[in-house]
Amino acid sequence: AQSVTQPDIHITVSEGASLELRCNYSYGATPYLFWYVQSPGQGLQLLLKYFSGDTLVQGIKGFEAEFKRSQSSFNLRKPSVHWSDAAEYFCAVGAWGAQKLVFGQGTRLTINP
Amino acid sequence: DARVTQTPRHKVTEMGQEVTMRCQPILGHNTVFWYRQTMMQGLELLAYFRNRAPLDDSGMPKDRFSAEMPDATLATLKIQPSEPRDSAVYFCASGPGNPQETQYFGPGTRLLVL
Repeated sequence: AQSVTQPDIHITVSEGASLELRCNYSYGATPYLFWYVQSPGQGLQLLLKYFSGDTLVQGIKGFEAEFKRSQSSFNLRKPSVHWSDAAEYFCAVGAWGAQKLVFGQGTRLTINP
Repeated sequence: DARVTQTPRHKVTEMGQEVTMRCQPILGHNTVFWYRQTMMQGLELLAYFRNRAPLDDSGMPKDRFSAEMPDATLATLKIQPSEPRDSAVYFCASGPGNPQETQYFGPGTRLLVL
C-alpha cells in the first residue's frame, strides 16, 4: 500500500521569499502524485499532478513540483510567495489502476508580511 | 463552472441523532469519494463509488456509517447514531474515472456532535 509523509507540519515564510514544501512517498511502482491546496473553510483544489513524462511539472498559481524517483520525493516549489498563498498544502499519492488517493498530513503555510 | 456541491455546509446535532450529508457530484463524473478531515487524523478516505457501486468502504466504521448513491446525481453519507468523536469536516469529491485524473472536492460539511 502507498503512503505519504509531509515532514513539515507548519512553515512560515516572508512574502516574496521562495518556498519549498517537502513530500516523500512510499510505493513499489511509479505512482501518481498530486499536490492540493486548501484555503480556510474551503475544499481542496488541485495545484498540479504527475503521472508520467517530464519530472518537473508546472501547476496553477506559479507552483511547480519535481518528481525524484531516487529520493521518493515530490517537493512543491514557488520562487516568490504571495500573502494569498497562505493555506494548507496536501501531497497525495495514487496507485496505477486504483482510484483512491492517500493524502499526507498536510503542511500549513503562513506568510509574514 | 462545474462544481461539487454538498449540503448542509454546517450541522450541529446531539449525540445519538441521525445525520445525513448529501453530495451532488459534477455531471458526467462516475467516481465519488467521501473523506473525513480531523486535526488528529488528517484527511481519511471513508468510501468511494464508481458508477454508483461501492468499491471500497474499508475506511468507514460499519456499525454506524453508511454511504449510498441513490442515483448518479446524489451521494449520501449517514451516521446513525452520531457520537461526539464523529465531529469533523466531511468532504465529497468526484472524478471522471481514470486514476490519474483530478478529484474535484466539494466545500465540505462541518459536523459538530454535542
